[in-house]
Amino acid sequence: DIQMTQSPSSLSTSVGDRVTVSCRASQNIGTYLSWYQQRPGKAPVRLIYGASSLQSGVPSRFSGSGSGTDFTLTISSLQPEDFATYYCQQSYSSPYTFGQGTKLEIK
Amino acid sequence: QVQLQESGPGLVKPSETLSLTCTVSGGSISSNYWTWIRQSPGKGLEWIGYGFHSGSTNYNPSLKSRLTISVDKSKNQFSLKLTSVTAADTAVYYCARGCSTDTCYEVGPGSVDVWGKGTTVTVSS
Repeated sequence: DIQMTQSPSSLSTSVGDRVTVSCRASQNIGTYLSWYQQRPGKAPVRLIYGASSLQSGVPSRFSGSGSGTDFTLTISSLQPEDFATYYCQQSYSSPYTFGQGTKLEIK
Repeated sequence: QVQLQESGPGLVKPSETLSLTCTVSGGSISSNYWTWIRQSPGKGLEWIGYGFHSGSTNYNPSLKSRLTISVDKSKNQFSLKLTSVTAADTAVYYCARGCSTDTCYEVGPGSVDVWGKGTTVTVSS
């Protein structure tokens, strides 16, 4: 199985901050990488697919980059509704594994 | 706009079979891969598997021996059956829509864009 490792596991941040979350794959996955946001008690929502394509309806402050094994999710200016847990997922090879999550907390 | 809704028992006894159904509304079930994902209490996300209307499936090897996913075009539903459950199968189970035959080359068959709200399944006697 491809292992997906996110860093950091948690991050204390403030509204207006620029935030970067990293995701590393244990082998080359090209750009078959998606990012999801999950608020407490809710289903995840896809933000980014294909490593850098913004899902329709998602605010433009979210962006994704990377290819191969190293990927980044960036939130340009954190809003109150962005405090949530973020997961990366590879869709290159079955089983399609997720990272362990990065929880954004209010500082 | 496509919506998904999971249904099924919230409590299953150990060694029995967990059965869930996902009803797809607002769109056809014929063009996409239909996926199940679960999340154990306080844990991350685990991809379970997907089915296609043609009958093809792809399962997580960790569950493959106990798992069946099927798609019913006539009812616009897909289902999950997991046999011989244990407490380790206690989780929130999500159904989700995967890529279509037109988009899989771009996103990969594992990526999902529409999720159900999730249903909690507890395995306990």
